[in-house]
Amino acid sequence: EPEVTQTPSHQVTQMGQEVILRCVPISNHLYFYWYRQILGQKVEFLVSFYNNEISEKSEIFDDQFSVERPDGSNFTLKIRSTKLEDSAMYFCASLVVVLPAYEQYFGPGTRLTVT
Amino acid sequence: KQEVTQIPAALSVPEGENLVLNCSFTDSAIYNLQWFRQDPGKGLTSLLLIQSSQREQTSGRLNASLDKSSGRSTLYIAASQPGDSATYLCAVIPASGAAGNKLTFGGGTRVLVKP
Repeated sequence: EPEVTQTPSHQVTQMGQEVILRCVPISNHLYFYWYRQILGQKVEFLVSFYNNEISEKSEIFDDQFSVERPDGSNFTLKIRSTKLEDSAMYFCASLVVVLPAYEQYFGPGTRLTVT
Repeated sequence: KQEVTQIPAALSVPEGENLVLNCSFTDSAIYNLQWFRQDPGKGLTSLLLIQSSQREQTSGRLNASLDKSSGRSTLYIAASQPGDSATYLCAVIPASGAAGNKLTFGGGTRVLVKP
């Protein structure tokens, strides 16, 4: 069964460094998302992406964050200058539209630790 | 702004008992409601998706009901097993522009099934 994959599974970085989290969505999906989950807190939406542009973003998704679909398969989240509070699990999701249902499929996550 | 609440935050039952997990949401204008399972430190596995026009959805020992007008969904797990121990999350997607829109998650119910 097709699945969303994410790399790396765990990334440790120092405060102020740039990180790129990578996702490979399911191949025939057209909508892509990033969510994050700080330890012990709710899963929070960051950004949605369709047709090579951002559809919606949350107030968390400030100028430090960017997303890109550099080729036909990868979907990346870049954090330019990481802060301690960026430590979280980051989930990528992609969506299939099988009307009338819209179902998001999630990847296994990347645990980001900022020291 | 949509708020999703799950009560209780944690639940412990002996093996064989039926589980009842509750989810409430403040804005009834939803398109879908999804139930997810999350094992510690892992990703989100979609269990059931209920469209707003449906009253319930079943998969094996799992049954989810939806009462959109009262803003509630319930996940029933019959004859619980130790392998059902996990955190269960519910999430809703708004009715408008559903494909590009975010899932809003509840805080989850952590379930422990004791052998």
